[in-house]
Amino acid sequence: AQSVAQPEDQVNVAEGNPLTVKCTYSVSGNPYLFWYVQYPNRGLQFLLKYITGDNLVKGSYGFEAEFNKSQTSFHLKKPSALVSDSALYFCAVRDGNRDDKIIFGKGTRLHILP
Amino acid sequence: GAGVSQSPSNKVTEKGKDVELRCDPISGHTALYWYRQSLGQGLEFLIYFQGNSAPDKSGLPSDRFSAERTGGSVSTLTIQRTQQEDSAVYLCASSGLRDTGELFFGEGSRLTVL
Repeated sequence: AQSVAQPEDQVNVAEGNPLTVKCTYSVSGNPYLFWYVQYPNRGLQFLLKYITGDNLVKGSYGFEAEFNKSQTSFHLKKPSALVSDSALYFCAVRDGNRDDKIIFGKGTRLHILP
Repeated sequence: GAGVSQSPSNKVTEKGKDVELRCDPISGHTALYWYRQSLGQGLEFLIYFQGNSAPDKSGLPSDRFSAERTGGSVSTLTIQRTQQEDSAVYLCASSGLRDTGELFFGEGSRLTVL
């Protein structure tokens, strides 16, 4: 069965600095990987996904994520953080070899400090 | 409508009562998911419907929980004999992208069991 780990409950970054939110996964088949964001009092929104191809994928709001097969990681990154990036971020995985469910991590709360 | 619609948005009930939560997915989406979001628990998978296939019920926490999807569209999540630990936000998501599974989430139904 697939699983996702987000080792940090909270990440604090100063505005303008680069940010990284960590995610590792476990899946028996080919991983389909996703990042979603939940802003305060709003629904979950899709940010980006990795299915195949380039290991570096770009998504909404200037975010990107790097797929690393050897480390089974899919860390979310942004070169320069904005206060408006403060939100709850979820990593998710699906087994691409099967028509299977999508499993989410526990989430990481990102605080961007002005 | 254009998005995933859930009702009720808020439900307060007494311990031991049954509740029904409704999800109206995006028209034409074949996949439908139910997740539960509790404080500190992330997004807990409950059940997954894909087209006419048998649903994946592996995430339902007990036999008090059940869900159905009528006509491949609207879904109802039923919780019988509610307990205080059932208090959470119940999120529905749908997807029309069978190969990748990008999810569109509703705003959720917040359940409070007194």
